[in-house]
Amino acid sequence: AQKITQTQPGMFVQEKEAVTLDCTYDTSDQSYGLFWYKQPSSGEMIFLIYQGSYDEQNATEGRYSLNFQKARKSANLVISASQLGDSAMYFCFLSRGSSASKIIFGSGTRLSIRP
Amino acid sequence: NAGVTQTPKFQVLKTGQSMTLQCAQDMNHNSMYWYRQDPGMGLRLIYYSASEGTTDKGEVPNGYNVSRLNKREFSLRLESAAPSQTSVYFCASSDGLAGGNNEQFFGPGTRLTVL
Repeated sequence: AQKITQTQPGMFVQEKEAVTLDCTYDTSDQSYGLFWYKQPSSGEMIFLIYQGSYDEQNATEGRYSLNFQKARKSANLVISASQLGDSAMYFCFLSRGSSASKIIFGSGTRLSIRP
Repeated sequence: NAGVTQTPKFQVLKTGQSMTLQCAQDMNHNSMYWYRQDPGMGLRLIYYSASEGTTDKGEVPNGYNVSRLNKREFSLRLESAAPSQTSVYFCASSDGLAGGNNEQFFGPGTRLTVL
């Protein structure tokens, strides 16, 4: 069975520091994708970054990067130079390439940035 | 472009009442999804549609029905609402294969309370 685990329910980080949000997954599929989304207190879901299981390079999008360790089945999100606006819930989700029925979200990490 | 729109934004129902949540996207996406988000949890997939005229069950389909009316619209119906269906409902759409490696675009959500 597929499974996603985000082990950090909440984190506090000082503004301008880097932060790593953990995400581990379990799947027997060879082809899959890992997504990170941000959910501010206003409730909308904002796409941050995507990593495919066959991608050789770690994904990067501006201040966001993904530390993808396939053998360890982890896909941690790294936010560099955190900003007050980064305070939000962050969700990791796993998607199998050919079947949407196996989309699974993690329980999320609430990140709070201290000024 | 409006992206993904959902109506209504808020709804209160009594146990046993029925209602339909509407979702529309203007990005010409093939795939559409319905999720629910319970307090303090990640999203769970209810149903998805890989193309016009097709629908498939996700992780938590019981108590719901869906209709993919055309390429733009994907509705979610609660035939007999129960308090356990109190949640925030998100509609999303993506290009390409359902559950594939494409970013999902989310609507603003519908907050449903069943008394």
